[in-house]
Amino acid sequence: QSALTQPASVSGSPGQSITISCTGTSSDVGRYNSVSWYQQHPGEAPKLMIYAVTNRPSGVSNRFSGSKSGNTASLSISGLQAEDEADYYCSSYTTSNTAVFGGGTKLTVL
Amino acid sequence: QVLLVESGGGVVQPGRSLRLSCTASGFTFRTYGMHWVRQAPGKGLEWVAIIWYDGTNENYADSVKGRFTISRDSSKNTLYLQMNSLRVDDTAIYYCARIATGTYSLDSWGQGTVVTVSS
Repeated sequence: QSALTQPASVSGSPGQSITISCTGTSSDVGRYNSVSWYQQHPGEAPKLMIYAVTNRPSGVSNRFSGSKSGNTASLSISGLQAEDEADYYCSSYTTSNTAVFGGGTKLTVL
Repeated sequence: QVLLVESGGGVVQPGRSLRLSCTASGFTFRTYGMHWVRQAPGKGLEWVAIIWYDGTNENYADSVKGRFTISRDSSKNTLYLQMNSLRVDDTAIYYCARIATGTYSLDSWGQGTVVTVSS
């Protein structure tokens, strides 16, 4: 049950676009279209931003989008806003019928 | 609206036990699978356990297997996490979360309950 690999930090200026990667294996990210992404502001519970690789829950801005290629999934945020500054986590279902999270990425809006 | 409220956290000595509860409202609890996820101080999210909507299947992270037990009582709309043989590295905020129908994503989360394991 190794954690998915995410960059520790990314940054961008307001209005710019950023992408956060999430690398797993053929037993998790590469096996299922079950990757989800969560946003967590300090002191708050995580919030679902993307599910099933590319889908946005109701109420999530269309500035957020997801994709996957092989064992790597990605979260893209366009038109960065100050409120996007947060920690982001990816997650995937696994062939062991468990779930696994990424180590998290701290997004800084410069 | 969907509401998940965790309780039962506290300070406990290593080797002791604690039972966490997660009370659900605003949805039909018995039709949803549930997870426990934890977050150690200053660290990332760590998946802990899953239980199927009907309680017929469950699974655990290797770090808690054999020590923690997830269960549910749908008559009480409540999810549980029995934690035995607690260790210092079990110190964390423990969140319960609902599995979104037809996906493996966690679409609703509680605010968490804090567990501190210390002598």
